Amino acid sequence: QQQVKQSPQSLIVQKGGISIINCAYENTAFDYFPWYQQFPGKGPALLIAIRPDVSEKKEGRFTISFNKSAKQFSLHIMDSQPGDSATYFCAASGNYQLIWGAGTKLIIKP
Amino acid sequence: EAQVTQNPRYLITVTGKKLTVTCSQNMNHEYMSWYRQDPGLGLRQIYYSMNVEVTDKGDVPEGYKVSRKEKRNFPLILESPSPNQTSLYFCASSFGTGRDTEAFFGQGTRLTVV
Repeated sequence: QQQVKQSPQSLIVQKGGISIINCAYENTAFDYFPWYQQFPGKGPALLIAIRPDVSEKKEGRFTISFNKSAKQFSLHIMDSQPGDSATYFCAASGNYQLIWGAGTKLIIKP
Repeated sequence: EAQVTQNPRYLITVTGKKLTVTCSQNMNHEYMSWYRQDPGLGLRQIYYSMNVEVTDKGDVPEGYKVSRKEKRNFPLILESPSPNQTSLYFCASSFGTGRDTEAFFGQGTRLTVV
C-alpha cells in the first residue's frame, strides 16, 4: 500500500523558533507534494507545494525542502508565530491519487 | 465565493438510523471526495468521484455509500450508522488529483453515533 509517513505527530516550538515537519514517501511515481494547514474547526487548506524537479520552494516564512534520492520532503516554518499553531498535513500526488500523511499538531508557545 | 459547503456541521444520531451528509461545490470541479479524520490517523479517504455517475472506493469505504448525480453535489450516506463511524468528516473537491491541483475542503461535519 502506498504511504506517506509524517513525523512528528505533535510538536511544540517557542515563538520565533523554527518548526520542522518531515515526510517520507515510497512511490517514485508521485509528482506533486503539497502541504495543507488546518485550523481547529476548519477544513485543511493548501499552504505550499513543490514539484520533484526542484529541491526547495520558499513562500514567506514557509519553505519546503525536497530530497528526491531519499524520497523525503519537509516543511520548515521560520520565525514561528502563535498564529501558526495548527495541524499540518503533507501529501503526495500521482497516478490519479492523493495520499495523505497522518498530520502534525503544531503548537507555538508565546 | 468559491466554496465547498457541507451540511450539517454537527450531528448526533443513534445506531442504525440512516443519515445523509450533503456536500456541494460551486467551482465546477470534476473530482470530489469524502474523508474521515480521526486522531492519530490523519485523513482517510472514504469514497471519491472523478465525474458525474463515476464513483469509487477509497481506503475505508465499509458502511458508507455515495452518489454523484450532478457535478456539484456529492452526498455521503450512512445507511446503518454504528458507533465506530463517530468521526469528523470532510468533503473536498478539485479539478483532479494531478500536479498543481489544489483540493478545497468543506468546513467539516462532526458526527456522533450513540
